[in-house]
Amino acid sequence: GIQVEQSPPDLILQEGANSTLRCNFSDSVNNLQWFHQNPWGQLINLFYIPSGTKQNGRLSATTVATERYSLLYISSSQTTDSGVYFCAVAPNFGNEKLTFGTGTRLTIIP
Amino acid sequence: SAVISQKPSRDICQRGTSLTIQCQVDSQVTMMFWYRQQPGQSLTLIATANQGSEATYESGFVIDKFPISRPNLTFSTLTVSNMSPEDSSIYLCSVHGTTSYEQYFGPGTRLTVT
Repeated sequence: GIQVEQSPPDLILQEGANSTLRCNFSDSVNNLQWFHQNPWGQLINLFYIPSGTKQNGRLSATTVATERYSLLYISSSQTTDSGVYFCAVAPNFGNEKLTFGTGTRLTIIP
Repeated sequence: SAVISQKPSRDICQRGTSLTIQCQVDSQVTMMFWYRQQPGQSLTLIATANQGSEATYESGFVIDKFPISRPNLTFSTLTVSNMSPEDSSIYLCSVHGTTSYEQYFGPGTRLTVT
């Protein structure tokens, strides 16, 4: 099956800093999503981005499907950004079984 | 998008017992997915539940341990049977959006087995 690796595994930053999280996947995908898991365990949808670039406020994401990676950018970090960030992929349209990456745990220090 | 609720939100159970987790969606969906997240780990798909047919289980998960019901297009249950401490996890259900393949997750059920 498809392999999904995220880096770095852990990231500790001061409030206000910027960060880049990376997701590498081992095969072609037609579905890629970024999620934020808050401290209560809730998974929050950030982006559905199988290719291209999207922005939502302080967050943006870019997926380069031909090179099999995606990046999540967080600017001007806030303490509420703390949590675990997952990317998840599915190989085909209609195959909706997501394979989750290993996750990046982000801690923002006030 | 989809609004998903799960019950219970958390529970502490004794080894050898069973727990049934409910998942309710605010719209009709063809497929519902059940995931497990063990402590400090990523999410792993347990099974896909289609209305009117048997659930499809992923490698390493069996129906006797995780029976699933899907009585209609907005509801599903997952039972964790004969629990052991290794079953302590967050269990999440998910569905895809009605107009896209974007998936949405319920708030999860945090299970502790003692």
